[in-house]
Amino acid sequence: QQPVQSPQAVILREGEDAVINCSSSKALYSVHWYRQKHGEAPVFLMILLKGGEQKGHEKISASFNEKKQQSSLYLTASQLSYSGTYFCGTDARTSYGKLTFGQGTILTVHP
Amino acid sequence: NAGVTQTPKFRVLKTGQSMTLLCAQDMNHEYMYWYRQDPGMGLRLIHYSVGEGTTAKGEVPDGYNVSRLKKQNFLLGLESAAPSQTSVYFCASRASRELVYGYTFGSGTRLTVV
Repeated sequence: QQPVQSPQAVILREGEDAVINCSSSKALYSVHWYRQKHGEAPVFLMILLKGGEQKGHEKISASFNEKKQQSSLYLTASQLSYSGTYFCGTDARTSYGKLTFGQGTILTVHP
Repeated sequence: NAGVTQTPKFRVLKTGQSMTLLCAQDMNHEYMYWYRQDPGMGLRLIHYSVGEGTTAKGEVPDGYNVSRLKKQNFLLGLESAAPSQTSVYFCASRASRELVYGYTFGSGTRLTVV
């Protein structure tokens, strides 16, 4: 079953913060986060493993709550380059590494 | 280092025609996947492979076939194209599910079936 992302869209001004959430009804082994620019392929941002720590990538970080099967992506002091669609991908233990993606969250950063 | 290469990048087919999409990776990855992306629906898994000579169905396999005769190549075939198969197709590869690596995606194939 597809994980649910919220919100569906976010509009920010440069320097503002945002949080994108991803919830799954399945027990998860890991959660991935990807960013896709318009007309391009998704690009891997980070992976959160079961039992792992919060990860960070520049001013983008994420957490994974195993009890709730939820992950959150935190974007701080947003930049114009952060604009794009963010997808979470969930990996259940028996899934041979295949990911089930959420429907995406469109992030728009204005000057 | 090319990563994951998809060909063609664009294609227009008439209903009933057939075609093959090619995905090639040069990273010696075991796992390869084909996804389709439609507006508002995210990426949905069509077929995947966990090694040379293996294939398995994903979430939306109907109307598609795949083959992985060589480790570096993963082919997606449409035997009789339908308008519902108009989509953007992405191939992805991954080293191993046990490692902390994500997917590497190809640049995509935009397919229109008229």
